Amino acid sequence: DQQVKQNSPSLSVQEGRISILNCDYTNSMFDYFLWYKKYPAEGPTFLISISSIKDKNEDGRFTVFLNKSAKHLSLHIVPSQPGDSAVYFCAASAVGTYKYIFGTGTRLKVLA
Amino acid sequence: ETGVTQTPRHLVMGMTNKKSLKCEQHLGHNAMYWYKQSAKKPLELMFVYNFKEQTENNSVPSRFSPECPNSSHLFLHLHTLQPEDSALYLCASSQESGIEAFFGQGTRLTVV
Repeated sequence: DQQVKQNSPSLSVQEGRISILNCDYTNSMFDYFLWYKKYPAEGPTFLISISSIKDKNEDGRFTVFLNKSAKHLSLHIVPSQPGDSAVYFCAASAVGTYKYIFGTGTRLKVLA
Repeated sequence: ETGVTQTPRHLVMGMTNKKSLKCEQHLGHNAMYWYKQSAKKPLELMFVYNFKEQTENNSVPSRFSPECPNSSHLFLHLHTLQPEDSALYLCASSQESGIEAFFGQGTRLTVV
């Protein structure tokens, strides 16, 4: 049973517009959520995270929103750039467990 | 450069070979992880070491044998692998649980 789900395998967005990537989770014990970006043949690169005590965290062009009641988080990228084209993974963790559970990823393509 | 270095980057091995993957982190972290990424699957947690002690073995077959001699180094010893074990093997480290984990570039393993 997959505890972290990214239901959109791919997303295409025009350069300069907003990219919204979504993630759902089922385990209410998760209290820390992360987004990673991955290029082919490379390891995932940490992008941004959010603790369950917050509902929003912003870092430059990247904002993560957390809706605990819906067990849903999203990553907004504004404005989108061609260099943002990559696979984005969301991950969830519970403090003290030393486990990061990943979704299947969403491939984002930003069109110039 | 994320501070987590994996070698080799690519490995082709026969089913009767024995090989080892190496991971080194230069971040002063306490926890280290092995993940497996197969095509169209989420990253699968294999092993977790916290302060050199194995705290998680996620039902991994015994043909994969981890070793953590100190907090900075992690090995994955491979023997009698199967072609379905071909995947990208990723090492990660974190200071503690529930915060950001940083990944290496991965080892692309092909079993022939």
